[in-house]
Formats: sequence, structure tokens, C-alpha cells
Amino acid sequence: EPEVTQTPSHQVTQMGQEVILRCVPISNHLYFYWYRQILGQKVEFLVSFYNNEISEKSEIFDDQFSVERPDGSNFTLKIRSTKLEDSAMYFCASRVVRSEQYFGPGTRLTVT
Amino acid sequence: AQSVTQLGSHVSVSEGALVLLRCNYSSSVPPYLFWYVQYPNQGLQLLLKYTTGATLVKGINGFEAEFKKSETSFHLTKPSAHMSDAAEYFCAVSESGSARQLTFGSGTQLTVLP
Repeated sequence: EPEVTQTPSHQVTQMGQEVILRCVPISNHLYFYWYRQILGQKVEFLVSFYNNEISEKSEIFDDQFSVERPDGSNFTLKIRSTKLEDSAMYFCASRVVRSEQYFGPGTRLTVT
Repeated sequence: AQSVTQLGSHVSVSEGALVLLRCNYSSSVPPYLFWYVQYPNQGLQLLLKYTTGATLVKGINGFEAEFKKSETSFHLTKPSAHMSDAAEYFCAVSESGSARQLTFGSGTQLTVLP
């Protein structure tokens, strides 16, 4: 069964460094998402992406964040200058029209 | 704006007992409703969903949920708990539309006692 994959599974970075989290959505999916879950808190929407542009973004998704689909398979989330409060599990999700979202296993980001 | 309230951050049941996890939602338009399960150190797996049609929906692993518009609820049930059901369960809502971002509840940790 096709699945969403994410790399790396765990990323440790120092405050102020740039990080890129990578996702490979399911191949025929058209809508892509990033969510995050700070330890012990609820899963929060960050951004949705369709037709090579951002469809919606939350207040969390400020100028420090960007997304890109650089080729036909990858979907990336970049954090330009990480802060301690960016430490969280980041989930990628994808879907086709009129379907539910399929989630990847997540990348745990630890900012020290 | 949408919101989801899950009553009870922790629920414990005995193996074989009924599982009932509560979810109430708020949405300005007809909602799409979902239950996801998260096992330790894993991602979110869809249990079941309601979009339109039959209000009682059945999902994987013997779970089901009923959409009650008058009560703005979408409670998750399973007649007989199994040890393998121990996990965190998230209720989520989205509005119909092109982007359909999910708004999640705060989650309910289910413990199954032997």
C-alpha cells in the first residue's frame, strides 16, 4: 500500500540554524500539508499546498517557514532560523480530491 | 472557524469493556469529521471518517462513530476493548473546500487494563 514517507526521522539542530524537512507524498496525490505537534500538545496545521502554491497557512507559518515542491516527488518544509520553540514533531500529509489526508510517520525536530 | 473538544484527556477501560471517546465540534458549515489514532512513536492513522450520507460510520479495528448534528458530536466507540487499542486518539474536523485543512482536538490517551 502506498504511503507518505518523511526524512529524517529525527533531526537535531542548533538554534539559529536552517533545517529542511523532507516528505515524499503518495505519487498521485495533489494536495500537500504540513502539521506540527509540540510534545504533549495537539496537532496544529501549518500550511497547505496545491498546484505549486500555498493554498492556506496558519498564524504559525510566518516568514521563517517556507515550503517547496522542487521536483515531482518531494515536498519540503524549510525553517530558516530555528528557535527553541520550533522543537516538535512535524507531520507531512497528502491527499487526492475528495479523500482523507494520509499522514507520514513524522520528523522529530529538536532545537538546542 | 472550526474547533474540536475532546472530553477526557485520559480514559482507562478494562479489556473487553466498551470504549467511548467523546468528541464535540464547532463548525460554521457542514463538517467533515475524522478520527485518527497515534501509536507511540508513529504517525497518524485514519480510523474512520464522516463526510456525507450515513451518520453511523464504521472504521478499522472494530471502531465506529456516529455523527449527531443536533448535539454537534462525533463520539468514537468500540464494543470490546483490546490491549492493542491502547494509543492516543484524535478527533479532527475540516470544512468542505479546496484546501480542507484539519483542525484537531487535544487528543485522548486510551489505556486498556488487563
